[in-house]
Amino acid sequence: NAGVTQTPKFRILKIGQSMTLQCAQDMNHNYMYWYRQDPGMGLKLIYYSVGAGITDKGEVPNGYNVSRSTTEDFPLRLELAAPSQTSVYFCASIPLAGAGGELFFGEGSRLTVL
Amino acid sequence: GENVEQHPSTLSVQEGDSAVIKCTYSDSASNYFPWYKQELGKRPQLIIDIRSNVGEKKDQRIAVTLNKTAKHFSLHITETQPEDSAVYFCAARHAQSNYQLIWGAGTKLIIKP
Repeated sequence: NAGVTQTPKFRILKIGQSMTLQCAQDMNHNYMYWYRQDPGMGLKLIYYSVGAGITDKGEVPNGYNVSRSTTEDFPLRLELAAPSQTSVYFCASIPLAGAGGELFFGEGSRLTVL
Repeated sequence: GENVEQHPSTLSVQEGDSAVIKCTYSDSASNYFPWYKQELGKRPQLIIDIRSNVGEKKDQRIAVTLNKTAKHFSLHITETQPEDSAVYFCAARHAQSNYQLIWGAGTKLIIKP
């Protein structure tokens, strides 16, 4: 199993551009999450999904959108990028409810908006 | 909603000494408390966790204690080694939260040789 795979690993955007961060997991996990981590800070939840076709907002959803058309994929869309979105983005997943609490993280996507 | 506070923000200890990091949470309904270690430029990784029906859990040099009455939990690392240098995050999860974790701000642990 590859686990949780994120692409791209690094990206520089200009203000106002849009892009999609890709996240895929091959562990058949139902729950998937997108976090952002600003320098020297903890993790803030952007969006999450409890299964295909179901998504919901986390703590900091403004400026982002997600979709979950399959169990495997959970892309994060940034519209009209702003410098405040400069951050490291982590995708994570866990199995079905009750199967354990460990979050499986991707390697992260480092985004800079100039 | 849940709020998690973590202290200290930086901790420097001599190699071989013990390190203790403390977290407090606000929601008495939270029932799961993990600790993650994040090395520089890497993803967070779970090192130990505890559920609310347990007061203490150990795994070799690492232990976590939970005081539900006071709503705080602590990470204890004994016989620290250079590879323990990292940022450590605590988190709390509410039973009805769809497995959402609320994270502390992190503690940078520095092991001095």
